[in-house]
Amino acid sequence: QSVLTQPPSVSGTPGQRVTISCSGSSSNIGSNAVKWYQQLPGTAPKLLIYGSSQRPSGVPDRFSGSKSGTSASLAISGLQSEDEAHYYCATWDDSLNGWVFGGGTRLTVL
Amino acid sequence: EVQLLESGGDLAQPGGSLRLSCAVSGFTFSSYAMSWVRQAPGKGLEWVSSITGSGDRGGVTYYADSVKGRFTISRDNSKNTLYLQMNSLRADDTGVYYCARDRLMWELLLDLDCWGQGTLVAVSS
Repeated sequence: QSVLTQPPSVSGTPGQRVTISCSGSSSNIGSNAVKWYQQLPGTAPKLLIYGSSQRPSGVPDRFSGSKSGTSASLAISGLQSEDEAHYYCATWDDSLNGWVFGGGTRLTVL
Repeated sequence: EVQLLESGGDLAQPGGSLRLSCAVSGFTFSSYAMSWVRQAPGKGLEWVSSITGSGDRGGVTYYADSVKGRFTISRDNSKNTLYLQMNSLRADDTGVYYCARDRLMWELLLDLDCWGQGTLVAVSS
């Protein structure tokens, strides 16, 4: 049972916009920045979003992050087949005194 | 080019020990916080441990509760290498272990922008 709750799966068609939610509490998302990672099959994770809404250089602006209260979201617009991957949110938890990941969301492009 | 190369993964018996290494190149290793993240087969990511850059009291360490007291993270800046000493191994320690670098120098934020390819640890009798 992850401290951060993500839907196990989401799906969309090419060109569509999808969102992935990440729900936490006041001790984690409520008081700390959220990061998002993308993990393509058989590869190491890749940093997509840091600081809840900032994109590292090289990440397309189709990917965007937001945070409100104790929840965060990753939005992917103009969905492409290469976006099929697992997506993970993560943040610091003040109560656990450590970083926590969400359980991950599998994105399927239909 | 930034490179991180893990090694040391192996089959170990419950209660046994392993030491993972992560050799890095292409950046000033001592200035960056480093972390270990693992992934059990078919499961999600789990943060294991982090160590700050040497500019911050020589490397402050952090551990997940699941490994505290059993695992030790360390770094040898002269060898550009990160380590994870794993003792009292359990079956649920099985998985791929990734080392990764934080995005900014001198900051420990778990904004991990560079990752190794991972090394597989299997704990079984």
